[in-house]
Amino acid sequence: NAGVTQTPKFQVLKTGQSMTLQCAQDMNHEYMSWYRQDPGMGLRLIHYSVGAGITDQGEVPNGYNVSRSTTEDFPLRLLSAAPSQTSVYFCASSYRTGSGTGELFFGEGSRLTVL
Amino acid sequence: SQQGEEDPQALSIQEGENATMNCSYKTSINNLQWYRQNSGRGLVHLILIRSNEREKHSGRLRVTLDTSKKSSSLLITASRAADTASYFCATAGGTSYGKLTFGQGTILTVHP
Repeated sequence: NAGVTQTPKFQVLKTGQSMTLQCAQDMNHEYMSWYRQDPGMGLRLIHYSVGAGITDQGEVPNGYNVSRSTTEDFPLRLLSAAPSQTSVYFCASSYRTGSGTGELFFGEGSRLTVL
Repeated sequence: SQQGEEDPQALSIQEGENATMNCSYKTSINNLQWYRQNSGRGLVHLILIRSNEREKHSGRLRVTLDTSKKSSSLLITASRAADTASYFCATAGGTSYGKLTFGQGTILTVHP
């Protein structure tokens, strides 16, 4: 049981390049989400999904694209990288409980630097 | 904007002391959760408290929730050096599912 797996762990891009951060979970969770973490800013939600085929924007969606074709996978695409997207990215999965969204299971993070 | 505001931003204590962190939020919630993050790692879930609960315990952790004041606190008793980490509160909103909103976190340092 691997939990939430993110790849790559580190990536350096040049301004204007595009790339995809991969995220996969093997817990059959219906909820998946992407956060970015910047110093002093906590975690900010980029995009999230409540099930296959359903995605929605979070707090900071500009410059990012997502899709969810399967329950297991939730890739995050950077369309044209900018230095402001230098950050640590976390993917998480979760499930519905009787009191809303349950605990998040996080991947180990992807550290992205845009030059 | 961040839902949760955490206080203090940093806390430095000696081993054996208790550590208290506070979290305030703005809108109605279904539950509130606390997470821990060791340096350079992902976040790990500590405890979830539902909106109709006032207090919850898990080992050396005690969480309280006051929905009238829109605030929560996390108490770690008898701290250890291994408790050194960042701690975040996160809220599950009343009408939204699939996401949590995080506070900015408290950096806890426990000195041996």
